[in-house]
Amino acid sequence: AQTVTQSQPEMSVQEAETVTLSCTYDTSESDYYLFWYKQPPSRQMILVIRQEAYKQQNATENRFSVNFQKAAKSFSLKISDSQLGDAAMYFCAYRSSAGNNRKLIWGLGTSLAVNP
Amino acid sequence: NAGVTQTPKFRVLKTGQSMTLLCAQDMNHEYMYWYRQDPGMGLRLIHYSVGEGTTAKGEVPDGYNVSRLKKQNFLLGLESAAPSQTSVYFCASSAAYWNTEAFFGQGTRLTVV
Repeated sequence: AQTVTQSQPEMSVQEAETVTLSCTYDTSESDYYLFWYKQPPSRQMILVIRQEAYKQQNATENRFSVNFQKAAKSFSLKISDSQLGDAAMYFCAYRSSAGNNRKLIWGLGTSLAVNP
Repeated sequence: NAGVTQTPKFRVLKTGQSMTLLCAQDMNHEYMYWYRQDPGMGLRLIHYSVGEGTTAKGEVPDGYNVSRLKKQNFLLGLESAAPSQTSVYFCASSAAYWNTEAFFGQGTRLTVV
């Protein structure tokens, strides 16, 4: 069974600085999708970025980018020019391409604080 | 452009009471999910549905029942609430393709006293 591990329960960053959140996963599959979700204090889960396993190019969305290392099964999220609004819980998630349930496998999350 | 809507947003129940949480999506998604979120435990899948009229158990199904009579609605029921079911509940939906993300409702904070 697949698992997702986020080894950093809490992180902090100074406003305008860069921070990297780590995520590793375990799978025997070759095709899958990886996601980073953000959960601010409002509780709403918001998709930050996604990565297709068969694409070697790292995904980028404005100030958010990933470092996808397929062989190492690592999927870290880099937030550049951190803003106060980036303070939130960040969850890494894995979705298999096999089966028909489309279930997401979740990490336990990293709480990110942004210091002014 | 509502997306996924959960009703209610907050609820307090007494032990033994029953209630139903409603999830509605307007994106014509095939897949729908119910999660619970507890501190330090991330998101745990309760039940899910791969289409109208179908449901299946997730990781933590005990004490919950679900129904998907209409494609756009996914109901989560608690027949006899227990304090252990105090949690934040999230509904999510996604399209049939495996490479699409899940869209979430705003969550329901349930307290069982």
